[in-house]
Amino acid sequence: SQQGEEDPQALSIQEGENATMNCSYKTSINNLQWYRQNSGRGLVHLILIRSNEREKHSGRLRVTLDTSKKSSSLLITASRAADTASYFCATDLSGGGADGLTFGKGTHLIIQP
Amino acid sequence: DGGITQSPKYLFRKEGQNVTLSCEQNLNHDAMYWYRQDPGQGLRLIYYSQIVNDFQKGDIAEGYSVSREKKESFPLTVTSAQKNPTAFYLCASTFTYTGELFFGEGSRLTVL
Repeated sequence: SQQGEEDPQALSIQEGENATMNCSYKTSINNLQWYRQNSGRGLVHLILIRSNEREKHSGRLRVTLDTSKKSSSLLITASRAADTASYFCATDLSGGGADGLTFGKGTHLIIQP
Repeated sequence: DGGITQSPKYLFRKEGQNVTLSCEQNLNHDAMYWYRQDPGQGLRLIYYSQIVNDFQKGDIAEGYSVSREKKESFPLTVTSAQKNPTAFYLCASTFTYTGELFFGEGSRLTVL
């Protein structure tokens, strides 16, 4: 099955800086989602962007989607120590997630105080 | 409070034993999912169910079994046929028309 690939695999920045993570995927999608996972915990949904959308904002999060390049980016502005986590992109092929989402391997983000 | 409850949080198993992981949700979601996560890896889909008494195999169903007798419950059995069962197991649910998954806190299975 197709899978999103996040880049970079790991990212370490200073508190207050912006963090950018990228996701590439292989086939046409219905929507793309970003999730956060704190160590040893379940995933938490951050944002969903549909295939006909190009940009979406939610608080300090900004997601872009370029379907021609089959890629998405997640920008976290003014990072905080609490943003330290792994971030995953997930693609939805069927719409509504009925057949499950396909996840990438994630970007591990460390915010240095 | 609405949510998804997985139990147990930690489970140790001897080789050759079957174990069952519990997943219960009170969100009235139609669809439920089981994912497996290995260290440094993404999530891989084991089984999913869109309605009661029906379920489909995901990408890595071999060595696992599930049931969906109630809308709220979707237990996963890791059988002795699963060659490498040590992993972190995550249950999720959603309304089929929204796509956003809600996850439980996970169950970590270790085979001794």
